[in-house]
Amino acid sequence: EIVMTQSPATLSVSPGERATLSCRASQSVSSNLAWYQQKPGQAPRLLIYGASTRATGIPARFSGSGSGTEFTLTISSLQSEDFAVYYCQQYNNWPPLYTFGQGTKLEIK
Amino acid sequence: QVQLQESGPGLVKPSETLSLTCTVSGGSISSYYWSWIRQPPGKGLEWIGYIYYSGSTNYNPSLKSRVTISVDTSKNQFSLKLSSVTAADTAVYYCARGLPSVVRGVMGIYFDYWGQGTLVTVSS
Repeated sequence: EIVMTQSPATLSVSPGERATLSCRASQSVSSNLAWYQQKPGQAPRLLIYGASTRATGIPARFSGSGSGTEFTLTISSLQSEDFAVYYCQQYNNWPPLYTFGQGTKLEIK
Repeated sequence: QVQLQESGPGLVKPSETLSLTCTVSGGSISSYYWSWIRQPPGKGLEWIGYIYYSGSTNYNPSLKSRVTISVDTSKNQFSLKLSSVTAADTAVYYCARGLPSVVRGVMGIYFDYWGQGTLVTVSS
């Protein structure tokens, strides 16, 4: 099983500032990595796939980078609606065993 | 706009079978990979398995012995059965649409549309 480790567990950032979230895989997942945003009581929402491609309708302030085992989600100029929990997910194994990170909670500073 | 909606009992007794159905609207269930994902209260996400519209399946090895996912294309629905449940199976269960990605010969899926989720509690 590929273990996904996200850091930090909680990130406190002020509105308007930049947030940088990290995700590390226990072995290479190439660029088969997605990022999701989850708000309380809601389903996750796809933000990024292929490590760096924004999903339909996702604002340009969200960007993803990385490949192999190290990945980053950057949110430039945080808006109030961006405070949520963010998960990374790898989808690079066969037979499939897709795994998620434990999440990073982005909170208002 | 594709929408997914989970339905099924919110309370299941230990040792019984959890059964949920996901109804897809706004698009056809044909093509794509249809998955179940769960989230225990206050915890992270766990992929349970998927079914391709043709009926082929893949399951999380940790749940494989207890899981069955099926599809009914005539109703635009797919379903989850999880047998011999315990309190550890208490979670919000999501259905989701999976999009395939092939990189260097490895196919995987990520999830672009999700249902709102349904809480299933295992308790006597």
